[in-house]
Amino acid sequence: KQEVTQIPAALSVPEGENLVLNCSFTDSAIYNLQWFRQDPGKGLTSLLLIQSSQREQTSGRLNASLDKSSGRSTLYIAASQPGDSATYLCAANTGGFKTIFGAGTRLFVKA
Amino acid sequence: DTGVSQDPRHKITKRGQNVTFRCDPISEHNRLYWYRQTLGQGPEFLTYFQNEAQLEKSRLLSDRFSAERPKGSFSTLEIQRTEQGDSAMYLCASSLEGDEQYFGPGTRLTVT
Repeated sequence: KQEVTQIPAALSVPEGENLVLNCSFTDSAIYNLQWFRQDPGKGLTSLLLIQSSQREQTSGRLNASLDKSSGRSTLYIAASQPGDSATYLCAANTGGFKTIFGAGTRLFVKA
Repeated sequence: DTGVSQDPRHKITKRGQNVTFRCDPISEHNRLYWYRQTLGQGPEFLTYFQNEAQLEKSRLLSDRFSAERPKGSFSTLEIQRTEQGDSAMYLCASSLEGDEQYFGPGTRLTVT
C-alpha cells in the first residue's frame, strides 16, 4: 500500500532564503509524481509533474527531483518570497491511477 | 480555458439530508477524479472516471456515496443520509490521459 510522507510539516524562513521540501513514498512503482501548492481554503494549483522516467523538472524558481530507487522527491524553492507562503503537497500517482497525497508542508516566508 | 469548476462552493446541510455536488472538468480532459480533504490533511482519493466509466473507487466511498459522469462530461457526487463525519472539502480534478491533474476550487460541506 502506497504511503506518502512529507517532512517538515511546517517551515518558517526569512525572505530570500533557498529551501528544500521533502517527500518520501513507500512504493517505487509510481506512474508520476506531482507537486501542488494550496492556499488556505482554496483548491490545489499544480506546480510540477515528474514522470517516472524523469529525474527532475524545473519551472522558474522551482525545481523538483525524483529518485524512485530511494522513494524520494524534493522540491527546491530558490530566493523565497512572502508570496510563496502556502501549503505544498506532493502526490504519487500509482498503478490504476489512484493518487496518494502527503499531508503537506506549511511554508511561511517572513518579509 | 475556463479550468475546472465546482458547484456549489459551500454547502451547509442538516444530518440525514442528501446533497449533490457538480464538477465540470476542462473540456478536452477524459479523466476526472474526486477527492475529500479534511483540515490539516492531504486530499484522499475517492473515485476516478475515464470518460464515462468509473474505473477506481476507494474504500472510503461507502454505499451512501455515489458518483456519475454521464456522457463523459460533467460529474456529480451524491452523499445520501449525510453524517457529521462527512464534513470536509470535496475536490474535483481532471487530466488528459496520465498527465497533470488540474483541480477545481472545491466544495466545502458542513453537516450540522
